[in-house]
Amino acid sequence: AQSVTQPDIHITVSEGASLELRCNYSYGATPYLFWYVQSPGQGLQLLLKYFSGDTLVQGIKGFEAEFKRSQSSFNLRKPSVHWSDAAEYFCAVGLVLNSGYSTLTFGKGTMLLVSP
Amino acid sequence: DVKVTQSSRYLVKRTGEKVFLECVQDMDHENMFWYRQDPGLGLRLIYFSYDVKMKEKGDIPEGYSVSREKKERFSLILESASTNQTSMYLCASGAPGGTGELFFGEGSRLTVL
Repeated sequence: AQSVTQPDIHITVSEGASLELRCNYSYGATPYLFWYVQSPGQGLQLLLKYFSGDTLVQGIKGFEAEFKRSQSSFNLRKPSVHWSDAAEYFCAVGLVLNSGYSTLTFGKGTMLLVSP
Repeated sequence: DVKVTQSSRYLVKRTGEKVFLECVQDMDHENMFWYRQDPGLGLRLIYFSYDVKMKEKGDIPEGYSVSREKKERFSLILESASTNQTSMYLCASGAPGGTGELFFGEGSRLTVL
């Protein structure tokens, strides 16, 4: 079964500093990979996704992620963090079944704190 | 934009009560999902549905049931609420065909006393 590991429960970054959130997955085939963000009291918003092709994916709000098959990783990065980026971030892997429907398996999330 | 609407943002119920959580999506998506979110545990899939009147168990279906009578509406039912079902419940919808991308509602925070 597919699984997703986010090794960092909390990360604190100074405003203006760079950010990297780690994500490792376990899946037999080429995965569909996602990063979602959740602000306090809100649902999840899609930041970016990888299906195939270029392994460096650009998303919204200045985020990017790189798919590395050899490391089974899909780390999220941002060159300069803003205070409004403080939120919880979830990595997810998608499984598409033969029937055509799909499910997502999520990591446990990384809480990003931004210090002034 | 895709809109997934969960009718109740906050609910407080008593142990043993029957609880209905309603979710409506406006994008004609075939697939709909109910997740439960708890601190330190991330999102766990309770049930999903890929067609009207169809349902599949997720990872933690015990104590829950679902209903999908219309394509746009997917309800989560707690037949007899218990305190360990106090949680945030997230509904999502998605289209079939290979992308797996899901669109989420804002969540329903349920407290069972």
